[in-house]
Order: sequence, then C-alpha cells, then structure tokens
Amino acid sequence: EIVLTQSPDTLSLSPGERATLSCRASQTIINNYLAWYQQKPGQPPRLLIYGVSNRAEDIPDRFSGSGSGTDFTLTISRLEPEDFAVFFCQQYETTLWTFGQGTKVDIK
Amino acid sequence: QVQLLQSGPEVKKPGTSVKVSCQASGLPFRLTAVQWVRQARGQPPEWIGWILVGGSETKYAQKLQGRVTISRDTSTRTTYMELSGLRAEDTAVYYCAADRNDIAWAFYWGRGTLVTVSS
Repeated sequence: EIVLTQSPDTLSLSPGERATLSCRASQTIINNYLAWYQQKPGQPPRLLIYGVSNRAEDIPDRFSGSGSGTDFTLTISRLEPEDFAVFFCQQYETTLWTFGQGTKVDIK
Repeated sequence: QVQLLQSGPEVKKPGTSVKVSCQASGLPFRLTAVQWVRQARGQPPEWIGWILVGGSETKYAQKLQGRVTISRDTSTRTTYMELSGLRAEDTAVYYCAADRNDIAWAFYWGRGTLVTVSS
C-alpha cells in the first residue's frame, strides 16, 4: 500500500497570499494517478485536481497541481476567503485508493 | 443535476451489521465505478472499496476484507455497502463517490451517512 505524507499539517496564511501544499508518496506513482480534494466542515470532499495537474470542472485557475514520481504539490496562487479548508491528496495504484492525512489551511 | 443520494443515519450495536445505500440520479452518462469512503470525526478519509458499474467486480481495502461487501442493483442505479461485525471504531460518516471518466478519483460525492456504533 502506498502511504501519502502531506506537509505541513497546518498552514496559516492571509487572504491574497500564496499557499503551497506538499504530498509525498512512499512509492513512485505511475500513470499520474494523483488527485487533490478540498473539504470544509460538514461537507464531503470536493475534487480540485486530478491526474496530478488537471483542474476539475468549475475549479478556478488559482488552483494548480504539479509533480511526478513521489513528490506532488498543490498551489493556490492567491487565497480567497472561501479557500480556507482542509486539503487531501489521494492516489490510485494497484487498484487501491489511499489518502494523505491532510493539510489545514487556516486564516492567519 | 447529478446526485448521489444516500440513506439516512444509523445507530447500531457492536457485533451487528449495517447496510448503506447510494442511488445515482440525474445521470445523462454512465459512471465508471462507485467508491465507498468513510471518515471518522477529525480524521482523514479512509477508502473502503469500489464496485465497477459496468460489471460486478469489486475491490476492498485489506483492513476491511472479510467484513465489507459492496453490491449494486442496476435496475435502480443503487449501490450498497454492508459492513458486518461492527465495532466502536467503525463509527464514521460513510460516503459514496463516483466519476464519469475514471476509477482513479471521484468528482461526484454523496452527502454522507453517519453510522454510530454504540452499546
């Protein structure tokens, strides 16, 4: 099973700032099977990025994903008030899903 | 409007079973697979398993193998997740999720079903 480790656990930033979230896999992820989700309290996860760098439907272009192999990054170019939430990376390899432990982006 | 409609909250005794349903509605297209994911309070999501919509193939998380069964009724577009031998640590919100294009991630999510296991 591939373990995903996200860092940092918490990111305290102000609106308008840039957020950089990291996701490291315990094994190489091939076929770009890496996604990012945003989750707010009381809501299901919302797909932001799939296939490492593709924005899901209706996701604004301030969200971007990058990376390869074992190191992946979610970048929010300029934080809007509605962006503060918990973010999870998720991978699909050998027909199984696993999630990272999450990064909370909160208001500084 | 595409929706995944889940059944209501459940309270169960330890050792019993729970069966949660997920009905797809408003779909002008076919889904690839339906995933089941659970999330305990304050914890990250935990993948439970999936079932292919086009067939009946299933895959389960090793941790839950032997206790979980995912099934589907194509006539009603409903998928079921049954978990047996319930323990307190199974208390969580259970989500179904799906995507139209891939099994590797999910764009559509149900609102979740709270399952509470308590004596």
